Amino acid sequence: AQSVSQHNHHVILSEAASLELGCNYSYGGTVNLFWYVQYPGQHLQLLLKYFSGDPLVKGIKGFEAEFIKSKFSFNLRKPSVQWSDTAEYFCAFFNSGAGSYQLTFGKGTKLSVIP
Amino acid sequence: NAGVTQTPKFQVLKTGQSMTLQCAQDMNHEYMSWYRQDPGMGLRLIHYSVGAGITDQGEVPNGYNVSRSTTEDFPLRLLSAAPSQTSVYFCASSYGLRDEQYFGPGTRLTVT
Repeated sequence: AQSVSQHNHHVILSEAASLELGCNYSYGGTVNLFWYVQYPGQHLQLLLKYFSGDPLVKGIKGFEAEFIKSKFSFNLRKPSVQWSDTAEYFCAFFNSGAGSYQLTFGKGTKLSVIP
Repeated sequence: NAGVTQTPKFQVLKTGQSMTLQCAQDMNHEYMSWYRQDPGMGLRLIHYSVGAGITDQGEVPNGYNVSRSTTEDFPLRLLSAAPSQTSVYFCASSYGLRDEQYFGPGTRLTVT
């Protein structure tokens, strides 16, 4: 079964620190990759996505992610976090292999930014 | 556009009761799906639909039914609620299978 692994359950950073959240997926074919964010008490919204082309993808609010096919990874980065980045972050990927049209989510990484 | 709407926002059920969670979207999206979110488990797909009249099971379909009679609506039915179904339920829709999913505000369900 396809799966997504997010390596960190909870990350605590001080404001202005750099952020990198790991994400690995388990499918070797063509994939579409996403990072979603859920701010406290809100629903999920898209941060960025990768379909093809430049493996370095820029999203909203200064976030970016790099697709490394050889490592099956799609890590999320931000050079300098703010208190308002406190949220839960979900990596997800889509593939249509074997006729199954599903978006698979990781278990999420909770980010707490300390002012 | 209202986007994706869900009702109710909160619901408490007793074990064995049935209910329907409503989901509607006004973006003419073909793809709709239901997820449940539990602490430490991320989002798990319950059922999805690739268009009116077409539904399929996701990762955790047991105890839930869906139907898709119109493009706009995708209700989720719990036939006999169990405490294990206590969760937050999100409905989502997208234009195509590989496109950004738009999520509703969620329904927090407690089964006692």
